[in-house]
Amino acid sequence: ETGVTQSPTHLIKTRGQQVTLRCSSQSGHNTVSWYQQALGQGPQFIFQYYREEENGRGNFPPRFSGLQFPNYSSELNVNALELDDSALYLCASSSGTSGFQETQYFGPGTRLLVL
Amino acid sequence: DAKTTQPNSMESNEEEPVHLPCNHSTISGTDYIHWYRQLPSQGPEYVIHGLTSNVNNRMASLAIAEDRKSSTLILHRATLRDAAVYYCIREAGGTSYGKLTFGQGTILTVHP
Repeated sequence: ETGVTQSPTHLIKTRGQQVTLRCSSQSGHNTVSWYQQALGQGPQFIFQYYREEENGRGNFPPRFSGLQFPNYSSELNVNALELDDSALYLCASSSGTSGFQETQYFGPGTRLLVL
Repeated sequence: DAKTTQPNSMESNEEEPVHLPCNHSTISGTDYIHWYRQLPSQGPEYVIHGLTSNVNNRMASLAIAEDRKSSTLILHRATLRDAAVYYCIREAGGTSYGKLTFGQGTILTVHP
């Protein structure tokens, strides 16, 4: 069973630009969640996708958007980058078959720096 | 509000037991308690979860108070590899299933 992978590992962008981060879930996992982790803080839930549909969203503006594909890959897109978007972005996958109390498997994250 | 309260940091010596406390005084009957940990430069890793009864797995034990307002993660013999940030998470039911709300966690330092 392969783990959750994310790309790129590090990224530098300038304010106002757009960025796309990618995640490859474990095979068979229908649910993917994205989190933002600022330095020294715990991860904050951005949104979740289940079978290619958004299934819940945290307190993040619409310029944060996502896609989930049938091949267990997903994307997080951020438009009009702001300095405060600098953070570690984590994706987590789960099987999505039983709802809550499922184990989430996190990737290593993408470190985004906005200058 | 799915907040939990944990100490900012704790220290332990290698091969000694560690008890990491967590308060979740506003927990409701269908909320699960999860523990994840995050090693340096890695994503969070599942440790254990429970609802009402104490739980054991190969990594740790979870002791949940009878009133469910607090819980304790127990590492039976700490190793240097257990040095990490430990997050106690209350997973709310209903539409919040699977959307984990992390706090700041407890930084565990393990001394050789």
